[in-house]
Amino acid sequence: GAVVSQHPSWVICKSGTSVKIECRSLDFQATTMFWYRQFPKQSLMLMATSNEGSKATYEQGVEKDKFLINHASLTLSTLTVTSAHPEDSSFYICSAYSPGQGASTEAFFGQGTRLTVV
Amino acid sequence: GESVGLHLPTLSVQEGDNSIINCAYSNSASDYFIWYKQESGKGPQFIIDIRSNMDKRQGQRVTVLLNKTVKHLSLQIAATQPGDSAVYFCAENASGGYQKVTFGIGTKLQVIP
Repeated sequence: GAVVSQHPSWVICKSGTSVKIECRSLDFQATTMFWYRQFPKQSLMLMATSNEGSKATYEQGVEKDKFLINHASLTLSTLTVTSAHPEDSSFYICSAYSPGQGASTEAFFGQGTRLTVV
Repeated sequence: GESVGLHLPTLSVQEGDNSIINCAYSNSASDYFIWYKQESGKGPQFIIDIRSNMDKRQGQRVTVLLNKTVKHLSLQIAATQPGDSAVYFCAENASGGYQKVTFGIGTKLQVIP
Protein backbone atom coordinates (compact mmCIF):
# COMPACT_ATOMS: atom_id res chain seq x y z
CA GLY A 1 0.00 0.00 0.00
CA ALA A 2 0.93 3.64 -0.26
CA VAL A 3 3.67 4.70 2.13
CA VAL A 4 4.62 8.21 3.10
CA SER A 5 7.82 8.71 5.02
CA GLN A 6 9.00 11.74 6.95
CA HIS A 7 12.53 12.54 7.95
CA PRO A 8 13.67 13.13 10.58
CA SER A 9 11.27 11.57 13.06
CA TRP A 10 12.43 14.02 15.67
CA VAL A 11 14.79 16.95 15.80
CA ILE A 12 16.07 19.32 18.44
CA CYS A 13 17.46 22.63 17.32
CA LYS A 14 18.63 25.88 18.85
CA SER A 15 16.50 28.96 18.75
CA GLY A 16 17.25 31.04 15.66
CA THR A 17 18.36 28.17 13.47
CA SER A 18 16.48 26.62 10.56
CA VAL A 19 15.24 23.07 10.28
CA LYS A 20 14.24 21.13 7.18
CA ILE A 21 11.70 18.32 7.27
CA GLU A 22 11.28 15.96 4.35
CA CYS A 23 8.14 14.18 3.23
CA ARG A 24 8.50 11.40 0.70
CA SER A 25 5.97 9.21 -1.05
CA LEU A 26 7.84 5.94 -1.32
CA ASP A 27 5.79 3.91 -3.74
CA PHE A 28 3.66 6.39 -5.60
CA GLN A 29 3.85 9.82 -7.13
CA ALA A 30 2.09 12.49 -5.12
CA THR A 31 0.59 15.33 -7.07
CA THR A 32 -0.40 17.07 -3.87
CA MET A 33 1.09 17.10 -0.40
CA PHE A 34 -0.27 18.73 2.72
CA TRP A 35 1.58 19.96 5.78
CA TYR A 36 -0.06 19.95 9.20
CA ARG A 37 1.01 21.08 12.63
CA GLN A 38 -0.21 19.48 15.83
CA PHE A 39 0.38 20.86 19.32
CA PRO A 40 0.12 18.51 22.32
CA LYS A 41 -3.38 17.21 22.96
CA GLN A 42 -4.73 19.23 20.08
CA SER A 43 -5.95 18.49 16.60
CA LEU A 44 -4.10 18.69 13.33
CA MET A 45 -4.13 22.13 11.78
CA LEU A 46 -3.50 22.46 8.09
CA MET A 47 -0.60 24.78 7.34
CA ALA A 48 -0.29 24.59 3.58
CA THR A 49 -1.07 22.69 0.42
CA SER A 50 1.82 21.85 -1.84
CA ASN A 51 1.47 20.97 -5.51
CA GLU A 52 4.41 19.67 -7.47
CA GLY A 53 6.07 22.36 -9.52
CA SER A 54 4.08 25.28 -8.16
CA LYS A 55 4.04 27.54 -5.14
CA ALA A 56 2.44 26.28 -2.00
CA THR A 57 -0.90 27.62 -0.84
CA TYR A 58 -0.79 28.66 2.79
CA GLU A 59 -3.67 28.69 5.21
CA GLN A 60 -4.68 31.91 6.87
CA GLY A 61 -2.36 32.86 9.68
CA VAL A 62 0.57 30.73 8.50
CA GLU A 63 3.65 32.77 7.67
CA LYS A 64 4.91 31.68 4.27
CA ASP A 65 8.30 33.30 4.83
CA LYS A 66 8.78 31.38 8.02
CA PHE A 67 7.54 28.01 6.82
CA LEU A 68 9.13 27.45 3.44
CA ILE A 69 7.66 24.66 1.39
CA ASN A 70 9.23 23.15 -1.67
CA HIS A 71 7.63 20.41 -3.77
CA ALA A 72 10.24 19.94 -6.44
CA SER A 73 9.35 16.41 -7.45
CA LEU A 74 6.37 14.09 -7.38
CA THR A 75 7.85 12.14 -4.49
CA LEU A 76 9.33 14.81 -2.26
CA SER A 77 8.11 17.88 -0.44
CA THR A 78 10.13 19.74 2.17
CA LEU A 79 9.12 22.07 4.96
CA THR A 80 11.77 24.40 6.30
CA VAL A 81 11.11 26.16 9.57
CA THR A 82 13.27 29.27 9.40
CA SER A 83 14.61 31.09 12.44
CA ALA A 84 12.88 28.62 14.70
CA HIS A 85 11.69 29.70 18.14
CA PRO A 86 10.44 27.67 21.08
CA GLU A 87 6.83 28.38 20.12
CA ASP A 88 7.47 26.53 16.85
CA SER A 89 8.01 23.35 18.81
CA SER A 90 5.32 20.99 17.59
CA PHE A 91 4.53 17.77 15.75
CA TYR A 92 4.65 18.35 12.01
CA ILE A 93 2.82 15.88 9.79
CA CYS A 94 2.59 15.60 6.04
CA SER A 95 0.11 13.78 3.86
CA ALA A 96 0.33 12.89 0.21
CA TYR A 97 -2.31 12.31 -2.41
CA SER A 98 -2.39 10.94 -5.89
CA PRO A 99 -5.43 10.14 -8.00
CA GLY A 100 -5.98 6.44 -8.27
CA GLN A 101 -3.78 5.58 -5.30
CA GLY A 102 -5.73 3.63 -2.71
CA ALA A 103 -9.23 4.92 -2.27
CA SER A 104 -9.60 7.73 -4.74
CA THR A 105 -10.33 10.12 -1.97
CA GLU A 106 -7.64 9.08 0.44
CA ALA A 107 -4.55 11.00 1.43
CA PHE A 108 -1.79 9.04 3.12
CA PHE A 109 -0.05 10.40 6.19
CA GLY A 110 3.55 10.33 7.22
CA GLN A 111 4.60 9.32 10.70
CA GLY A 112 5.23 12.88 11.77
CA THR A 113 8.28 14.87 12.90
CA ARG A 114 8.64 16.07 16.46
CA LEU A 115 10.41 19.46 16.48
CA THR A 116 11.76 20.83 19.73
CA VAL A 117 13.34 24.26 19.71
CA VAL A 118 15.51 25.05 22.71
CA GLY B 1 -14.51 29.69 10.15
CA GLU B 2 -16.34 26.40 10.01
CA SER B 3 -15.11 23.72 12.35
CA VAL B 4 -15.60 20.14 13.26
CA GLY B 5 -15.92 19.31 16.93
CA LEU B 6 -16.32 16.36 19.23
CA HIS B 7 -18.56 15.91 22.22
CA LEU B 8 -16.30 13.70 24.37
CA PRO B 9 -12.61 14.32 24.83
CA THR B 10 -11.99 10.99 26.61
CA LEU B 11 -13.85 7.71 26.44
CA SER B 12 -13.07 4.69 28.61
CA VAL B 13 -14.40 1.35 27.48
CA GLN B 14 -14.09 -2.16 28.83
CA GLU B 15 -12.31 -4.59 26.56
CA GLY B 16 -14.85 -6.49 24.51
CA ASP B 17 -17.51 -3.82 24.73
CA ASN B 18 -18.58 -1.66 21.83
CA SER B 19 -17.30 1.92 21.58
CA ILE B 20 -19.14 4.87 20.14
CA ILE B 21 -17.26 8.04 19.35
CA ASN B 22 -19.28 11.08 18.35
CA CYS B 23 -18.55 14.11 16.25
CA ALA B 24 -20.52 17.24 15.43
CA TYR B 25 -19.75 19.25 12.35
CA SER B 26 -20.89 22.72 11.52
CA ASN B 27 -20.33 23.09 7.78
CA SER B 28 -23.52 22.04 6.03
CA ALA B 29 -21.63 22.06 2.74
CA SER B 30 -19.37 19.21 3.82
CA ASP B 31 -19.88 16.22 1.58
CA TYR B 32 -17.19 13.82 2.67
CA PHE B 33 -16.21 12.62 6.12
CA ILE B 34 -13.36 10.51 7.40
CA TRP B 35 -12.42 8.91 10.68
CA TYR B 36 -8.74 8.69 11.59
CA LYS B 37 -6.95 6.86 14.37
CA GLN B 38 -3.79 8.39 15.80
CA GLU B 39 -1.54 6.50 18.15
CA SER B 40 0.88 8.39 20.35
CA GLY B 41 3.74 9.91 18.40
CA LYS B 42 2.45 8.72 15.04
CA GLY B 43 0.60 10.16 12.08
CA PRO B 44 -3.14 9.64 11.53
CA GLN B 45 -4.28 6.34 10.14
CA PHE B 46 -7.32 6.16 7.88
CA ILE B 47 -10.12 4.06 9.33
CA ILE B 48 -13.24 4.60 7.29
CA ASP B 49 -14.95 7.26 5.25
CA ILE B 50 -18.45 8.15 4.17
CA ARG B 51 -19.99 10.45 1.62
CA SER B 52 -22.91 12.71 2.30
CA ASN B 53 -25.22 10.66 0.08
CA MET B 54 -24.96 7.79 2.55
CA ASP B 55 -26.03 7.48 6.17
CA LYS B 56 -24.16 4.34 7.12
CA ARG B 57 -21.06 2.50 6.09
CA GLN B 58 -19.48 -0.57 7.57
CA GLY B 59 -15.94 -1.81 7.66
CA GLN B 60 -14.15 -4.46 9.61
CA ARG B 61 -15.37 -4.01 13.21
CA VAL B 62 -16.15 -0.37 12.50
CA THR B 63 -19.29 1.42 11.40
CA VAL B 64 -19.71 5.08 10.58
CA LEU B 65 -23.11 6.72 10.85
CA LEU B 66 -23.92 10.09 9.34
CA ASN B 67 -26.93 12.19 10.29
CA LYS B 68 -26.99 15.21 8.05
CA THR B 69 -30.12 16.60 9.64
CA VAL B 70 -28.33 17.28 12.89
CA LYS B 71 -24.82 17.36 11.41
CA HIS B 72 -23.63 14.45 13.46
CA LEU B 73 -21.15 11.72 12.74
CA SER B 74 -20.31 8.70 14.83
CA LEU B 75 -17.79 5.88 14.78
CA GLN B 76 -18.77 2.57 16.27
CA ILE B 77 -16.10 0.04 17.13
CA ALA B 78 -17.31 -3.46 17.85
CA ALA B 79 -15.65 -5.66 20.45
CA THR B 80 -13.11 -3.02 21.43
CA GLN B 81 -9.58 -4.30 21.90
CA PRO B 82 -6.56 -2.86 23.73
CA GLY B 83 -5.02 -2.09 20.36
CA ASP B 84 -7.89 0.28 19.68
CA SER B 85 -6.60 2.66 22.35
CA ALA B 86 -5.72 5.87 20.53
CA VAL B 87 -7.04 9.31 19.71
CA TYR B 88 -9.77 9.31 17.09
CA PHE B 89 -10.41 12.27 14.84
CA CYS B 90 -13.29 12.94 12.55
CA ALA B 91 -12.48 15.07 9.55
CA GLU B 92 -14.60 16.76 6.94
CA ASN B 93 -14.16 18.00 3.46
CA ALA B 94 -16.27 20.57 1.71
CA SER B 95 -14.04 21.88 -1.01
CA GLY B 96 -14.51 19.11 -3.52
CA GLY B 97 -10.83 18.28 -3.27
CA TYR B 98 -11.24 15.19 -1.22
CA GLN B 99 -7.81 15.18 0.29
CA LYS B 100 -7.92 18.58 1.96
CA VAL B 101 -9.77 17.99 5.17
CA THR B 102 -10.51 19.81 8.37
CA PHE B 103 -9.86 17.79 11.52
CA GLY B 104 -12.02 17.77 14.59
CA ILE B 105 -10.74 18.08 18.14
CA GLY B 106 -10.24 14.38 18.80
CA THR B 107 -11.43 11.80 21.33
CA LYS B 108 -9.06 9.70 23.33
CA LEU B 109 -10.26 6.12 23.59
CA GLN B 110 -8.95 4.17 26.57
CA VAL B 111 -9.60 0.46 26.57
CA ILE B 112 -9.66 -1.12 30.00
CA PRO B 113 -8.39 -4.72 29.97
